[in-house]
Amino acid sequence: DAEITQSPRHKITETGRQVTLACHQTWNHNNMFWYRQDLGHGLRLIHYSYGVQDTNKGEVSDGYSVSRSNTEDLPLTLESAASSQTSVYFCASSAGSLNTGELFFGEGSRLTVL
Amino acid sequence: KQEVTQIPAALSVPEGENLVLNCSFTDSAIYNLQWFRQDPGKGLTSLLLIQSSQREQTSGRLNASLDKSSGRSTLYIAASQPGDSATYLCAVMNSGYSTLTFGKGTMLLVSP
Repeated sequence: DAEITQSPRHKITETGRQVTLACHQTWNHNNMFWYRQDLGHGLRLIHYSYGVQDTNKGEVSDGYSVSRSNTEDLPLTLESAASSQTSVYFCASSAGSLNTGELFFGEGSRLTVL
Repeated sequence: KQEVTQIPAALSVPEGENLVLNCSFTDSAIYNLQWFRQDPGKGLTSLLLIQSSQREQTSGRLNASLDKSSGRSTLYIAASQPGDSATYLCAVMNSGYSTLTFGKGTMLLVSP
């Protein structure tokens, strides 16, 4: 079955370290997204991509970057982790143009920055 | 800026009840609206997707309706079961943008 997988599922790091969260989907979806979920804020969009070599900033993109070198993967990098980036991160994907299709989510990556 | 509100924030019901979850949005110019379910410690699972041209969608015991003009959607769950306990989120795809705006969810507890 097609799926979307995230790794690692749990990570603890220190302030200032670079961290990369992986996201891999086997649906061959054009559109991929990274969200963070925090109590009181709900889900907020970090970055998104509509295809290979395309990346766009979302609502809370400061301190994060992404790159899309193939259809299946959209890694999320925290250049210099901060305690404010402690959160649960979700990757998602969808088919269709401009994200008009159904959205499928990974299981999430829980990141703790000490 | 689109804002999505879900009421109530939490709901507790006995097993077997029919229930309605509400979602309202401020900008009626939308492409679609999607309802999700989230279990604790898990990702979101898509339940129903309603296109802007549709009035409702049904899947098993779930029925979602959409009234664009009033900026409202409801998720109806028939004959609720303990396994329905989860957080339910709605998300709106805006016509003028290309991303989803999520509500903060309704946490549902169905007691045996």
